[in-house]
Amino acid sequence: QSVLTQPPSASGTPGQRVTISCSGSSSNIGSNTVTWYQQLPGTAPELLIYSDNQRPSGVPDRFSGSKSGTSASLAISGLQSEDEADYYCAAWDDSLNGFYVFGTGTKVTVL
Amino acid sequence: QVQLVESGGGLVKPGGSLRLSCAASGFTFSDYYMSWIRQAPGKGLEWVSYINSRSSYIKSADSVKGRFTISRDNAKNSLFLQMNSLRAEDTAVYYCARDPPGEVTAFDIWGQGTMVTVSS
Repeated sequence: QSVLTQPPSASGTPGQRVTISCSGSSSNIGSNTVTWYQQLPGTAPELLIYSDNQRPSGVPDRFSGSKSGTSASLAISGLQSEDEADYYCAAWDDSLNGFYVFGTGTKVTVL
Repeated sequence: QVQLVESGGGLVKPGGSLRLSCAASGFTFSDYYMSWIRQAPGKGLEWVSYINSRSSYIKSADSVKGRFTISRDNAKNSLFLQMNSLRAEDTAVYYCARDPPGEVTAFDIWGQGTMVTVSS
């Protein structure tokens, strides 16, 4: 069971702004950076955001990440049909012996 | 072309073993940390195991500790996952992923995945 909680679904119409939350604790988001991955249907995940708010080259600036305390957020502005995918947050957790954890995942639907 | 290609998946009985491989190309494999990540059918992502560039630092999820062993051969640009005492709950697509060295973990390249099915 993941220690990073995301809403199971989010939706919006083309052009809208959609925000996905990722709730953790002091042992993960509160003390480590957050990464976000996008998984298009039937494909492997892809890196979307790293170090809380940094975009790898090639990722549109419509995608942005932020973090405050023990929660993080991914925002998609100007939603497009090709953004319909599953989104996962992730971070190291320093509890126990330390482990890497993915969020529960959020399915974004473009209406 | 930077690429990771997994192989070795298949159908195995509970209690059996399987060895997954991940062939890297298009980059200096020995510079990068690597991980295995899995995804059960219809479920989310689960981190399995992590190895640094020189194999001197390895971490594994509690769910596989003592059963799965990650290793690498930098001379052959390959990553491995030896899976023993397999259980039904290990059924998943297994991805290998590249992690650039540094303090931040971010899997920037993923393979296409290999399916492991544990069933009698």
